[in-house]
Amino acid sequence: DAKTTQPNSMESNEEEPVHLPCNHSTISGTDYIHWYRQLPSQGPEYVIHGLTSNVNNRMASLAIAEDRKSSTLILHRATLRDAAVYYCILRDRATSGTYKYIFGTGTRLKVLA
Amino acid sequence: DTGVSQDPRHKITKRGQNVTFRCDPISEHNRLYWYRQTLGQGPEFLTYFQNEAQLEKSRLLSDRFSAERPKGSFSTLEIQRTEQGDSAMYLCASSPGRDTNEKLFFGSGTQLSVL
Repeated sequence: DAKTTQPNSMESNEEEPVHLPCNHSTISGTDYIHWYRQLPSQGPEYVIHGLTSNVNNRMASLAIAEDRKSSTLILHRATLRDAAVYYCILRDRATSGTYKYIFGTGTRLKVLA
Repeated sequence: DTGVSQDPRHKITKRGQNVTFRCDPISEHNRLYWYRQTLGQGPEFLTYFQNEAQLEKSRLLSDRFSAERPKGSFSTLEIQRTEQGDSAMYLCASSPGRDTNEKLFFGSGTQLSVL
């Protein structure tokens, strides 16, 4: 089962910042927090991931709470192309000893022109 | 780098028929994953390969489902005696296999409709 909880949907106006929250209260000390997004009719694509400190890349920023029980994906200026389902994921240790990524239902982001 | 390729993009079949999907991962990616996604849900993990070895299978993968990755390159997912509940998007992903936190690269999926 997914180890994260996210709001089902959010709306944002175009060119405004968007903060997408995620709760992961059962996170372990070695779990990285991963974010993927899925545009309509496409497979998911990687957005960002981090462990403790805040992370930035060209797509987004990831703010991780000090206790690591929650995190926020920040899109600095939402565009219509950012309308997608955003998934916050923790790895799940498989019985084989390897890791797999378990997706929840994600947050559907609607961007208003 | 041409990305993860899946074939076919769409498949319509009648209940009871067998179907096979193919996934070509990014060249030299050792890890390969299959997921299934139904409308309004996130992708559900089905199975995982490290090179040619199938290391993990979800309980969702009933005995009608089988996946292979001969020679550690492309992979196939076969569904025997399809049922209407098998209708879904089947997604393949690959990753290099060098880091436990490496990103997954997904294909565009195969949409299966069972009539």
